[in-house]
Amino acid sequence: DIQMTQSPSSLSASVGDRVTITCRASQSISNYLNWYQQKPGKAPKPLIYAASSLQSGVSSRFSGSGSGTDFTLTISSLQPEDFASYYCQQSYSMPRTFGQGTKVEIK
Amino acid sequence: QITLKESGPTLVKPTQTLTLTCTFSGFSLTTNGVGVGWIRQPPGKALEWLALIYWNDDKRYSPSLNSRLTITKDTSKNQVVLTMTNMDPVDTATYYCARETVTTPRSSDFWGQGTLVTVSS
Repeated sequence: DIQMTQSPSSLSASVGDRVTITCRASQSISNYLNWYQQKPGKAPKPLIYAASSLQSGVSSRFSGSGSGTDFTLTISSLQPEDFASYYCQQSYSMPRTFGQGTKVEIK
Repeated sequence: QITLKESGPTLVKPTQTLTLTCTFSGFSLTTNGVGVGWIRQPPGKALEWLALIYWNDDKRYSPSLNSRLTITKDTSKNQVVLTMTNMDPVDTATYYCARETVTTPRSSDFWGQGTLVTVSS
């Protein structure tokens, strides 16, 4: 299985801050990397696919980059509705695997 | 409009078999490249991928749970069923179904709302 490691596990930030979350794969996954946002009690919401492509309807303040083993999710200017948990997932091979999540909290 | 919805028991006893149904609309599991999978999330923990079935009946499972899982589809009913045998309290989680496509975006692009399953005697 491909292991996905996210960092940090949690962070505190203020509205308007630029936030970066990293995800590292245990082997090269090309650009088969997806990001999801999850709020308490809700299903994950797809944000980014193929490392850098925004899902339909997702705000342009979200961006993704990377290829191979190292990836980042950036929120350019944190908004109140962005406080949530974020997960990366590889879709390079089976089984699909997720990172352990990053919780973005209000400072 | 694509929707998915999970259904099944909210409480199961240890050693019992869990059967969950995902009923979907807005797409067909007879369409090339389409799949439906299951993902779970124990309370306060991370997402865990479980299984996926494709339009061509190709089935994939998490290796750690492979011996306990079976995924099937009923295209006439637009349903995917997941069975998990020998349930244990550690299997207590919210179970989600989601659509995935082989081609772009090759991600779980539509999710159900999830169903919480508690394993307790």
